[in-house]
Amino acid sequence: AQSVTQLDSQVPVFEEAPVELRCNYSSSVSVYLFWYVQYPNQGLQLLLKYLSGSTLVKGINGFEAEFNKSQTSFHLRKPSVHISDTAEYFCAVSSLGGSYIPTFGRGTSLIVHP
Amino acid sequence: NAGVTQTPKFQVLKTGQSMTLQCAQDMNHNSMYWYRQDPGMGLRLIYYSASEGTTDKGEVPNGYNVSRLNKREFSLRLESAAPSQTSVYFCASTQDRVPNQPQHFGDGTRLSIL
Repeated sequence: AQSVTQLDSQVPVFEEAPVELRCNYSSSVSVYLFWYVQYPNQGLQLLLKYLSGSTLVKGINGFEAEFNKSQTSFHLRKPSVHISDTAEYFCAVSSLGGSYIPTFGRGTSLIVHP
Repeated sequence: NAGVTQTPKFQVLKTGQSMTLQCAQDMNHNSMYWYRQDPGMGLRLIYYSASEGTTDKGEVPNGYNVSRLNKREFSLRLESAAPSQTSVYFCASTQDRVPNQPQHFGDGTRLSIL
């Protein structure tokens, strides 16, 4: 079985500061990892994905994430956030040989203060 | 670029009423999904359709039924609405039933049951 834990339900940060949103996963087989962003009153949009290859993945809006197999983590980072980054962020995992349907974390609310 | 379209966007029902939530995608995707989103719970899978003509239960199917009307459309029906079904409902789709494809989401239906 696969599972995802997002360690922080809410992350407040000031504009132009760096941010890290944490995600840990559990799976007994090879995984695919995703980060999605949800702006108010909208659906989820793909930020970035790790399928294979380089463990550092770059996504849209200046976000990046690093796949760490030994620590079973896929943390999302941005060096300098903007007010417009205020949103809900979801980490998701699916597995090769397991469920092709992703399991989503409970979400992290990023709140960027001016 | 419509992508995944959900109707209605908002709905208020009384306990015991029935309702069908509609979802259509124009990306020629084979697989479609229904999720509910509740505060602090992330996304929970209600039902999915791996391909036209098939449907399967997800994590929280009780109180719901689905119909895969054709390749484009996947509807979710509440036969007798209960206050516990107050939630935001999202429809999603993927090209195929493989684990390395991200999901494409609609903007959601916000449903309140009094």
